[in-house]
Amino acid sequence: DAMVIQNPRYQVTQFGKPVTLSCSQTLNHNVMYWYQQKSSQAPKLLFHYYDKDFNNEADTPDNFQSRRPNTSFCFLDIRSPGLGDAAMYLCATSRRGTNGYTFGSGTRLTVV
Amino acid sequence: AQSVAQPEDQVNVAEGNPLTVKCTYSVSGNPYLFWYVQYPNRGLQFLLKYITGDNLVKGSYGFEAEFNKSQTSFHLKKPSALVSDSALYFCAVRAFFNAGNNRKLIWGLGTSLAVNP
Repeated sequence: DAMVIQNPRYQVTQFGKPVTLSCSQTLNHNVMYWYQQKSSQAPKLLFHYYDKDFNNEADTPDNFQSRRPNTSFCFLDIRSPGLGDAAMYLCATSRRGTNGYTFGSGTRLTVV
Repeated sequence: AQSVAQPEDQVNVAEGNPLTVKCTYSVSGNPYLFWYVQYPNRGLQFLLKYITGDNLVKGSYGFEAEFNKSQTSFHLKKPSALVSDSALYFCAVRAFFNAGNNRKLIWGLGTSLAVNP
């Protein structure tokens, strides 16, 4: 089935140690999003790619970066994770001209 | 300002009773409205959406939602709740932020639904 896959489901990293979360999709959607969701809160958009065009939210910390090497893959890099970065990170995709968004199962990041 | 409000942090209903999870919105132009459900430690699952057409939208797992333009509401409903419906429910609206094709979802803060056996 076409879907959005996030790996790993659970990630533990050390304070200050760079970490990368990955997202892949088989939907051939041209837009990919990264959201941060803290416990029982609404998802917060960090950035999105419209094809290869990167769009950063104004309040996304510089500590967060993203790469999209091709249509199928998108990565979230956290350069120096702090305790406050512990959260669920959600990847989503959509196709231009449609109104559907497909979410992955998320990666829960723990910072120790 | 464009926004989505879910006025109830938590809704409790007995199994078999009807449930309603409320959502109101404020957005420029015609709203595109969505409901998502989230189970513990999982991603968001799409339930239903309103784009245009009939005000009553039917979605997954027996859920439906009614778009009410005059009240700017999009309440989620189910005639008979199941214990397995217990989860976190998010309402979202797609809104324009810049000229051109730049649209984003604005999210409500979520409503925790507890269905008691």
